[in-house]
Amino acid sequence: RKEVEQDPGPFNVPEGATVAFNCTYSNSASQSFFWYRQDCRKEPKLLMSVYSSGNEDGRFTAQLNRASQYISLLIRDSKLSDSATYLCVVNLQGGGNKLTFGTGTQLKVEL
Amino acid sequence: DAGVTQSPTHLIKTRGQHVTLRCSPISGHKSVSWYQQVLGQGPQFIFQYYEKEERGRGNFPDRFSARQFPNYSSELNVNALLLGDSALYLCASSFVTQNNSPLHFGNGTRLTVT
Repeated sequence: RKEVEQDPGPFNVPEGATVAFNCTYSNSASQSFFWYRQDCRKEPKLLMSVYSSGNEDGRFTAQLNRASQYISLLIRDSKLSDSATYLCVVNLQGGGNKLTFGTGTQLKVEL
Repeated sequence: DAGVTQSPTHLIKTRGQHVTLRCSPISGHKSVSWYQQVLGQGPQFIFQYYEKEERGRGNFPDRFSARQFPNYSSELNVNALLLGDSALYLCASSFVTQNNSPLHFGNGTRLTVT
């Protein structure tokens, strides 16, 4: 079983749609959680951290369910510029900078 | 301020050769990590260095080695290259080595082994 599992997609959605990505992780000792965004042939960039209470940043909302070991990302009012691969990332307690990435979910926002 | 810089951007090598990849962290960042990203996969952790000491190693063979210099720049070395080593190699830096310290990635070095 992979440490971090994501649906690879692609998710093709029209502009303005709401889209949700899900992610599960296997190690219950995981302590920190993130969503990264990666554009084609570019480096990953931190989109947002994910907190137990859930957090929102503009059109983006992240949720964490520790009991189910499940992380989600909701994007509202999708823009063409949201087209990218979204990587679910976890870090073990005391893991320093050793991040464990999922394979990523590809999003294509279309006119 | 300059971000994380990596060199070279692209590299083509043949099987059995050796390669050295270089990384300069953001000014003031003392931690450098290396990741390998094979096409269609997420990045995989290779090494982390902090204050010139190895702080973590991923599940990679001994052909992979790294070091960090007094100015906090870093090199990743791969010996006896295999076709499967073809990937995007990413360097990331952070100010400290704590769990939630944001990582800043460089543009990566795209290595092709033929």
